[in-house]
Amino acid sequence: GAGVSQSPSNKVTEKGKDVELRCDPISGHTALYWYRQSLGQGLEFLIYFQGNSAPDKSGLPSDRFSAERTGGSVSTLTIQRTQQEDSAVYLCASSLLWNQPQHFGDGTRLSIL
Amino acid sequence: TQLLEQSPQFLSIQEGENLTVYCNSSSVFSSLQWYRQEPGEGPVLLVTVVTGGEVKKLKRLTFQFGDARKDSSLHITAAQPGDTGLYLCAGDGGSNYKLTFGKGTLLTVNP
Repeated sequence: GAGVSQSPSNKVTEKGKDVELRCDPISGHTALYWYRQSLGQGLEFLIYFQGNSAPDKSGLPSDRFSAERTGGSVSTLTIQRTQQEDSAVYLCASSLLWNQPQHFGDGTRLSIL
Repeated sequence: TQLLEQSPQFLSIQEGENLTVYCNSSSVFSSLQWYRQEPGEGPVLLVTVVTGGEVKKLKRLTFQFGDARKDSSLHITAAQPGDTGLYLCAGDGGSNYKLTFGKGTLLTVNP
């Protein structure tokens, strides 16, 4: 597709379970970003990838959160032992280069019961 | 920690009215972006401003970056129902990749 694709669009899981969220960036975009959008909060930066490397992981809230990117393309955000406060919309964005405009996907809405 | 405060948080107006939303900070940003987000979708970039005092126009939307590059405003003329959405400002503090977002202004334009 032409845009950033995220899957699943919605995920409901029980507290304590692990979840994986996927992001397919725009083809050819070298930079990839994960954000979290919680009710009443702005978008919070989580992590930035340049190629397969993550030079900035400063926004990951805890060691339960991890992310990887393979082949300079698809990225997966993994949340282990989910907690109710992890409920949010997780947004992925990509840009052609690290200093270019970011294009967002439609997000994964994660609900922890 | 850089913060962006947006006001008002909510705005409900009638079609044809004008409005201004604000984005303020005590920090200097190298650039500032405005996005619009509709329910169930990701933010869509409207404009990037990089120079203090810069004014950009996009049809009925006028964006201004403060002289000190700490604040910005978005003015909409003759609002239409299609303008309804969450307007977000985001600042780049100099990293060129890490954006700090405001919490947004939720605009509703009633027919």
